Amino acid sequence: AQSVTQPDIHITVSEGASLELRCNYSYGATPYLFWYVQSPGQGLQLLLKYFSGDTLVQGIKGFEAEFKRSQSSFNLRKPSVHWSDAAEYFCAVGALEEYGNKLVFGAGTILRVKS
Amino acid sequence: DAGVIQSPRHEVTEMGQEVTLRCKPISGHDYLFWYRQTMMRGLELLIYFNNNVPIDDSGMPEDRFSAKMPNASFSTLKIQPSEPRDSAVYFCASSMGLAGGSNEQFFGPGTRLTVL
Repeated sequence: AQSVTQPDIHITVSEGASLELRCNYSYGATPYLFWYVQSPGQGLQLLLKYFSGDTLVQGIKGFEAEFKRSQSSFNLRKPSVHWSDAAEYFCAVGALEEYGNKLVFGAGTILRVKS
Repeated sequence: DAGVIQSPRHEVTEMGQEVTLRCKPISGHDYLFWYRQTMMRGLELLIYFNNNVPIDDSGMPEDRFSAKMPNASFSTLKIQPSEPRDSAVYFCASSMGLAGGSNEQFFGPGTRLTVL
């Protein structure tokens, strides 16, 4: 069963437009939630993470994500996309009780930015 | 800190040859992970270590793959013999503390392996 779902394989947005990347997870309790970004030819870099508390978390590079328990979602957003944001984005879930000491990654969403 | 270091960055080899990928984790990190990334299967966890001890190798595809961590600052992933279907980008990552908890994994730049 898919534990982390990123429904969009590719997304194209215009520079300056807003962005939302979707992530849904399947886990009974609240897991640890992460968003990573992978630029071409690079490793993954952490954008932000959520453990508890305020459900809207701020990350680097102007990104934010909102945890919604009722929807089992952790969508990534940015109000105004820059050409340098073109990359692949991965949502990841950590749940010690279910997955042990490892993260489960979604399939990724490739973001293209058009000028 | 220089971050997670992997070598080589690119490796091209012929089928049947032995391939060794190397990783130096961030100093002080006690967890080390090896991942494989392909278009078809995405990012897969192969194996991870805690304090140099292999904890979970259930993701290692078959006996041709082996990994070692002789000390806290070095790990290898070996494929012997290599096959074309092993072509992928292999990432090493490290973290301080439990990765399934709140601790960030730091990724290296990856090794792009091509097996002809």
